[in-house]
Amino acid sequence: AQSVSQHNHHVILSEAASLELGCNYSYGGTVNLFWYVQYPGQHLQLLLKYFSGDPLVKGIKGFEAEFIKSKFSFNLRKPSVQWSDTAEYFCAVIPGYSSASKIIFGSGTRLSIRP
Amino acid sequence: EPEVTQTPSHQVTQMGQEVILRCVPISNHLYFYWYRQILGQKVEFLVSFYNNEISEKSEIFDDQFSVERPDGSNFTLKIRSTKLEDSAMYFCASRYLFVKSGEDTDTQYFGPGTRLTVL
Repeated sequence: AQSVSQHNHHVILSEAASLELGCNYSYGGTVNLFWYVQYPGQHLQLLLKYFSGDPLVKGIKGFEAEFIKSKFSFNLRKPSVQWSDTAEYFCAVIPGYSSASKIIFGSGTRLSIRP
Repeated sequence: EPEVTQTPSHQVTQMGQEVILRCVPISNHLYFYWYRQILGQKVEFLVSFYNNEISEKSEIFDDQFSVERPDGSNFTLKIRSTKLEDSAMYFCASRYLFVKSGEDTDTQYFGPGTRLTVL
């Protein structure tokens, strides 16, 4: 079945550690890729997006993601996390067949940062 | 910065009752969406709306659900006869449509959500 997979349900890191959250999707053809973040008590916010061009995408707050087409992956990275990065992170895809650009979300990864 | 707003933040209702969830999209946006997130599960697409009609809907969006843009600012989701399994967080989103210099036409902006609890 077509889906977006986030393999890590809960990640716990210490401040200054490096972060990589995995995301794989199973849609063929053109896809638009996103990472959204949801801080505690807040709404979904866009971290970064990939539509075309350079597969290494830089987003807000020092996050970046790399689109690897051959692996159907769009992993999120940050070299040094802060306590304020504690949040839920959602990988998401807009399949090319969706004329209305509906977003298909992964199940989310909860990131907890130890101060 | 413009934001999508949603009311109420929390709605409690009895099973079988009708509920209307309200959203005010960003003012110059033309494409509107509803998503929901059942506790502990992923965010799921429900419906998209453009030019006063549904442009795409998911299997979840059955005859119990309807959407409307009753005026120039509000976008509503109605659930006619709520069921226990409708308990979830409901998110509204909007995006601009036409290519325009300086406008981000690709990003959907989400509201804070309405938590619906069906008893």
